[in-house]
Amino acid sequence: QKEVEQDPGPLSVPEGAIVSLNCTYSNSAFQYFMWYRQYSRKGPELLMYTYSSGNKEDGRFTAQVDKSSKYISLFIRDSQPSDSATYLCAMRTGGTSYGKLTFGQGTILTVHP
Amino acid sequence: GAGVSQSPSNKVTEKGKDVELRCDPISGHTALYWYRQRLGQGLEFLIYFQGNSAPDKSGLPSDRFSAERTGESVSTLTIQRTQQEDSAVYLCASSSRAGALYEQFFGPGTRLTVL
Repeated sequence: QKEVEQDPGPLSVPEGAIVSLNCTYSNSAFQYFMWYRQYSRKGPELLMYTYSSGNKEDGRFTAQVDKSSKYISLFIRDSQPSDSATYLCAMRTGGTSYGKLTFGQGTILTVHP
Repeated sequence: GAGVSQSPSNKVTEKGKDVELRCDPISGHTALYWYRQRLGQGLEFLIYFQGNSAPDKSGLPSDRFSAERTGESVSTLTIQRTQQEDSAVYLCASSSRAGALYEQFFGPGTRLTVL
């Protein structure tokens, strides 16, 4: 079993829809939870991160972490065609501030006009 | 300033050949990471360098894989006797002490195809 599980989709939604992306994990030592966005043939870019449990909002994006359930989510409101990309969840443990990231498989999202 | 750069952007090689992939991190970034991304998959950690500390090689899949870093600059990832299952995009990232997260900034990757 992988440490981080993410539904690969693909997910196709109309413009303006609310999108929900999710990951589950098994390692209770994970403390930093991140969402990366990756456009085709590009490197991933950090979209949002959350430390420990709770919610974080940034514009149209909301990240949620439920450590008791080992479950994280990313919500995209009023989705736009420019949001079409692969979304990767990533996590790392605390302690040293540097450290490897453990990624989910990535969910391919297409927002059509 | 410039981001993380990687070269070559694409590499096609024959099974059994050795390949070298290069990564130029963001200037001043002390940490450097290598990840592998197979088609339709997430990123898989390979190796991580932090300053003068011993590298974390825990993700290297076999002894055919090795990496070096010169000080806090360029890094090369070497794959010896390539196999078809080595075909993937190899991504490099670097990070610094800026911010709470020590965010990793990724390069565009090297797409390796082993025939």
